[in-house]
Amino acid sequence: SQTIHQWPATLVQPVGSPLSLECTVEGTSNPNLYWYRQAAGRGLQLLFYSVGIGQISSEVPQNLSASRPQDRQFILSSKKLLLSDSGFYLCASTSGGSFTNTQYFGPGTRLTVL
Amino acid sequence: AQKVTQAQTEISVVEKEDVTLDCVYETRDTTYYLFWYKQPPSGELVFLIRRNSFDEQNEISGRYSWNFQKSTSSFNFTITASQVVDSAVYFCALLNAGNNRKLIWGLGTSLAVNP
Repeated sequence: SQTIHQWPATLVQPVGSPLSLECTVEGTSNPNLYWYRQAAGRGLQLLFYSVGIGQISSEVPQNLSASRPQDRQFILSSKKLLLSDSGFYLCASTSGGSFTNTQYFGPGTRLTVL
Repeated sequence: AQKVTQAQTEISVVEKEDVTLDCVYETRDTTYYLFWYKQPPSGELVFLIRRNSFDEQNEISGRYSWNFQKSTSSFNFTITASQVVDSAVYFCALLNAGNNRKLIWGLGTSLAVNP
């Protein structure tokens, strides 16, 4: 079974500062990887997904970006954070490369932008 | 249109009560998958079950059971003899096998099990 790591667990950043959140996956190869954001109120919003190294699809235009430098590493970045970027960020992975496989989630990063 | 509706925003029960969480979905695809996830206060989303559209058999896992009915487009989740540890937000989600292969999420049901 796969294990998904995310760090940091919590982060408090000032407006205008950069951001880098990391997600790594163990126990599977060639996964599809996903970044979600969950704002207060519980809704899950898909931000980015990736089917392979260097392949990123963006779902929502915003000041965030994602990169996949290695097969099992997915990074979420921003050059300048906004107040509206606050939220709970979840990384998800599927076993193998099929979109219809089950998504498993990491423990999440709670980001507060002040 | 693809949509998942969890009409119950919050449910509060007393320990040992049975509770059913409703999930109604909309899709035009004939092949699709339904999921339930649990999100405890720690925040991590925990996968509970996956069902494909061709398998309407009900599933039981310990105190958890799921009732999938295509006729009513519902995939309801029942917890029998609820426990305090069941307190969490529960999400139902839909995945179509067609072109738009992204999870469609319900807004979740917050379950509080009180001692």
